[in-house]
Amino acid sequence: GENVGLHLPTLSVQEGDNSIINCAYSNSASDYFIWYKQESGKGPQFIIDIRSNMDKRQGQRVTVLLNKTVKHLSLQIAATQPGDSAVYFCAEGSSGSARQLTFGSGTQLTVLP
Amino acid sequence: DTGVSQDPRHKITKRGQNVTFRCDPISEHNRLYWYRQTLGQGPEFLTYFQNEAQLEKSRLLSDRFSAERPKGSFSTLEIQRTEQGDSAMYLCASSLVRARGGYTFGSGTRLTVV
Repeated sequence: GENVGLHLPTLSVQEGDNSIINCAYSNSASDYFIWYKQESGKGPQFIIDIRSNMDKRQGQRVTVLLNKTVKHLSLQIAATQPGDSAVYFCAEGSSGSARQLTFGSGTQLTVLP
Repeated sequence: DTGVSQDPRHKITKRGQNVTFRCDPISEHNRLYWYRQTLGQGPEFLTYFQNEAQLEKSRLLSDRFSAERPKGSFSTLEIQRTEQGDSAMYLCASSLVRARGGYTFGSGTRLTVV
């Protein structure tokens, strides 16, 4: 499953499929990007980050892709599991602003059995 | 240390009352942040401390809001003369300077102003 930008705030995928969540960031000066996962009633939880000198970074079951030309960030989750159901936020920051982060409005990921 | 702790988890107050929230960061973290999150939106930056010094404040932090971190450990966020528009989740986070991996957030204090 895939969403486009922040105009589709919900994404439903079948368990076991791959998920792609997209984010368009706004500040050309941003040089640090993070994906957070937020479950109901909890604070955001760090998933993966990437600096602007990279275009791809992989973690456990997750990959972040950064396209600075079009100011686009994506999060790929492999073999999506029910526990992945949550709201996912991208956040951008600048090393010049002491890690003050600007968050997007989020995408609700629902994993269907 | 079990992470960032916030107290209370929920607060209901009448409009015009003052409220104070507390945040206990991860003990070795020298940076502490306050964010506000309204329903369906991402968190918005309010302010941050490095040790006891408040180094950045957002324009969102009106003169009714004040934050302190007196000994460089726990922090308080006070809202005076609360308004219904203050209803939100107030999130605290902490990190080390130069740390990779973003912040560690607490579970937040949900404020409802009636």
